[in-house]
Amino acid sequence: KNQVEQSPQSLIILEGKNCTLQCNYTVSPFSNLRWYKQDTGRGPVSLTIMTFSENTKSNGRYTATLDADTKQSSLHITASQLSDSASYICVGTDSGGGADGLTFGKGTHLIIQP
Amino acid sequence: NAGVTQTPKFQVLKTGQSMTLQCAQDMNHEYMSWYRQDPGMGLRLIHYSVGAGITDQGEVPNGYNVSRSTTEDFPLRLLSAAPSQTSVYFCASNQGLGVGEQFFGPGTRLTVL
Repeated sequence: KNQVEQSPQSLIILEGKNCTLQCNYTVSPFSNLRWYKQDTGRGPVSLTIMTFSENTKSNGRYTATLDADTKQSSLHITASQLSDSASYICVGTDSGGGADGLTFGKGTHLIIQP
Repeated sequence: NAGVTQTPKFQVLKTGQSMTLQCAQDMNHEYMSWYRQDPGMGLRLIHYSVGAGITDQGEVPNGYNVSRSTTEDFPLRLLSAAPSQTSVYFCASNQGLGVGEQFFGPGTRLTVL
């Protein structure tokens, strides 16, 4: 069964600091790895989508990495801002053709303190 | 573009009542899906559709019905609400199955008493 595990469950950092969120996935056959940002009370918003051949992808201050050998991904946030307070969800996509192929992690709840 | 819209934003039901959660998208996406989000759990797929007239079950379909008469609309029906269906429901759309950016609606927070 496909699985996506995220760590830490929650994280508190000071405004301006950097942080890295981790994701371990077991998704087969692997198609892509996604990161979403979900603000409180809102729907998830796509940050990055990485395929097998992509090691790094950036979206502003967000940089995602993918190591297909170890089946790990990370999301690095640079110079955090108060607006970065949100849940960050890692999603593995398989190409097996069943349902929508998406396996969602439980998310990391990030709080940025002034 | 409005993207993906959902109504209502909040709803309270009594056990046994039925209701329909509305979802619409204006991006001409073929693929639409419904998820529920519960505390401490990842998003779980309820039903999905790969095009008008075609629907299929996801991970947690019991107690829910869907139909897809047009590309734009994908309503979710609760047949006889139960307290276990208290959750936040999200509709999403994307261009294809597991490919391309996925767009989510703002969600419907449902409480069943």
